[in-house]
Amino acid sequence: KAGVTQTPRYLIKTRGQQVTLSCSPISGHRSVSWYQQTPGQGLQFLFEYFSETQRNKGNFPGRFSGRQFSNSRSEMNVSTLELGDSALYLCASSGGTNTGELFFGEGSRLTVL
Amino acid sequence: GENVEQHPSTLSVQEGDSAVIKCTYSDSASNYFPWYKQELGKGPQLIIDIRSNVGEKKDQRIAVTLNKTAKHFSLHITETQPEDSAVYFCAASKGNAGNMLTFGGGTRLMVKP
Repeated sequence: KAGVTQTPRYLIKTRGQQVTLSCSPISGHRSVSWYQQTPGQGLQFLFEYFSETQRNKGNFPGRFSGRQFSNSRSEMNVSTLELGDSALYLCASSGGTNTGELFFGEGSRLTVL
Repeated sequence: GENVEQHPSTLSVQEGDSAVIKCTYSDSASNYFPWYKQELGKGPQLIIDIRSNVGEKKDQRIAVTLNKTAKHFSLHITETQPEDSAVYFCAASKGNAGNMLTFGGGTRLMVKP
């Protein structure tokens, strides 16, 4: 069974640009969550989608957005990039509707110059 | 919102010794407490979890204890091996919060052969 796949794995952007990251969950999983990981702030929850609906949202500015498609694949977008957005963005999928094991992908490492 | 604190931030042990990592949480409504292990270049992976109706759970060399009154939980690894070297994260979640986890800051465990 294939794991969670995130693309691209690495990318470099400049301030003011926007970026779109993609996540393909484990087959059959309907919940996709996004987390930002930085050395200073650790792992922080961005948002969760379940059956194409945003179910939870963390404390991030509106520049961070996401969506989920009917096949459960998800994308997140960050607009007007800032230097502080440099981070590892992790996607996790889950087969359950509530608290259970999250299966993380290897992440997309974003560097903003 | 929920706040999870984790100690120590780094832990160095000799192979075969035990390692203990402690976490405290602030929201008494939290009822699910997973522990994740993150190896270099990979996403976090669930190693054990505990729910608030249980005080202790064990899986081979790994055990987790939960004290709901004091709002703290701990990870115990016995007979440590070099492959246990990684960053460990505790987390907390409420049952009605979907798959939204609040993570602790992480502990870098180094097991010296």
